[in-house]
Amino acid sequence: AQSVTQLDSHVSVSEGTPVLLRCNYSSSYSPSLFWYVQHPNKGLQLLLKYTSAATLVKGINGFEAEFKKSETSFHLTKPSAHMSDAAEYFCVSDTGRRALTFGSGTRLQVQP
Amino acid sequence: EAGVAQSPRYKIIEKRQSVAFWCNPISGHATLYWYQQILGQGPKLLIQFQNNGVVDDSQLPKDRFSAERLKGVDSTLKIQPAKLEDSAVYLCASSPGTGGTETQYFGPGTRLLVL
Repeated sequence: AQSVTQLDSHVSVSEGTPVLLRCNYSSSYSPSLFWYVQHPNKGLQLLLKYTSAATLVKGINGFEAEFKKSETSFHLTKPSAHMSDAAEYFCVSDTGRRALTFGSGTRLQVQP
Repeated sequence: EAGVAQSPRYKIIEKRQSVAFWCNPISGHATLYWYQQILGQGPKLLIQFQNNGVVDDSQLPKDRFSAERLKGVDSTLKIQPAKLEDSAVYLCASSPGTGGTETQYFGPGTRLLVL
């Protein structure tokens, strides 16, 4: 079975400092992995996705993630946080049955 | 391009009552999903349709939940009777093809509170 584990339920950074949101996956095969963002009172939005092409994936709003098979990780990073990045972030994997499995989420807080 | 529409946005009911949610996906999208997001958790897939056929409903509590997608366009999700633990946000999403690695486009959700 496919699953993802988000290692931090809450991350707080200062504006202008780097962001790191951690995600580990477990899978018996090479998965497709995604990061989605959920702003308050807004729908979930795709940030980026990995589908076995380049291991470094660039997404919207300056975010990127690196697929590391040896570490079974797919951490989300951004060099410099902005106030508008404050939101809930979900690491997601496909189950191989055309459905998605969401992690429990990481709430990112950005301090001025 | 219009996004995924859902209504109502909020609903408060008492336990054992019935409730229905409506979703209109992005025009032309073949696959439609219903997710349940309990506070503090990630969304959990309830049911996936491709056109008007069910692809996956393995996590749908069929004794109280039902869903349909007549004509392969909009969809309704019903709970009858509701329980306290059904309090959650119900998200609808759609994707152009058959799902899997496709990008899913989410609606704003319906927030349900069961008292």
